[in-house]
Amino acid sequence: GQQLNQSPQSMFIQEGEDVSMNCTSSSIFNTWLWYKQDPGEGPVLLIALYKAGELTSNGRLTAQFGITRKDSFLNISASIPSDVGIYFCAGQLAQGGSEKLVFGKGTKLTVNP
Amino acid sequence: EPEVTQTPSHQVTQMGQEVILRCVPISNHLYFYWYRQILGQKVEFLVSFYNNEISEKSEIFDDQFSVERPDGSNFTLKIRSTKLEDSAMYFCAKSGGTLAEGSSYNEQFFGPGTRLTVL
Repeated sequence: GQQLNQSPQSMFIQEGEDVSMNCTSSSIFNTWLWYKQDPGEGPVLLIALYKAGELTSNGRLTAQFGITRKDSFLNISASIPSDVGIYFCAGQLAQGGSEKLVFGKGTKLTVNP
Repeated sequence: EPEVTQTPSHQVTQMGQEVILRCVPISNHLYFYWYRQILGQKVEFLVSFYNNEISEKSEIFDDQFSVERPDGSNFTLKIRSTKLEDSAMYFCAKSGGTLAEGSSYNEQFFGPGTRLTVL
């Protein structure tokens, strides 16, 4: 089945630092989504990407859809303590009736004040 | 962001018992989904539901699982005979919202989850 490799697995940073994480896949996706999950809660959608090469921002978050359609990255600038959580990438083929999301294993972010 | 509520927030059951997890997607959406997340692991797709029938299901979604939308509002996941390995967080999600909500067809919005513990 489709697999997403997400890295790094975890990050420990100081408040104010920038953060970068990425996802790669052996197969093509037509949509990339980035989610944040706090402990005991459901994933919250941060950014959605629909076109290869697309670069999209949401406040301090910036994400890009790779040209090959097999990868995506998420950057967080000037991190703050509330950025703590687990960040998941998710790919969607959105073709042939398949709308399911395939998730990466997550990047656990810790921000030290 | 379109709202999804799930009940119960936590369900404890004995192995072999049936459980029903409920999702109430507020507002009209086209697609509904169930995902699960075993503690400390990634989110895994179980099933998608469109136009009152299953449109896709994963290998995890075997004969012990079923979904329905009995009253056009609640969306339920039933596990007929729970096993220890069914212990996980179960998330309902929806997509394909109305234009008024400004959500794209592909964006999936998740509920807060039901923590299922099978003893």
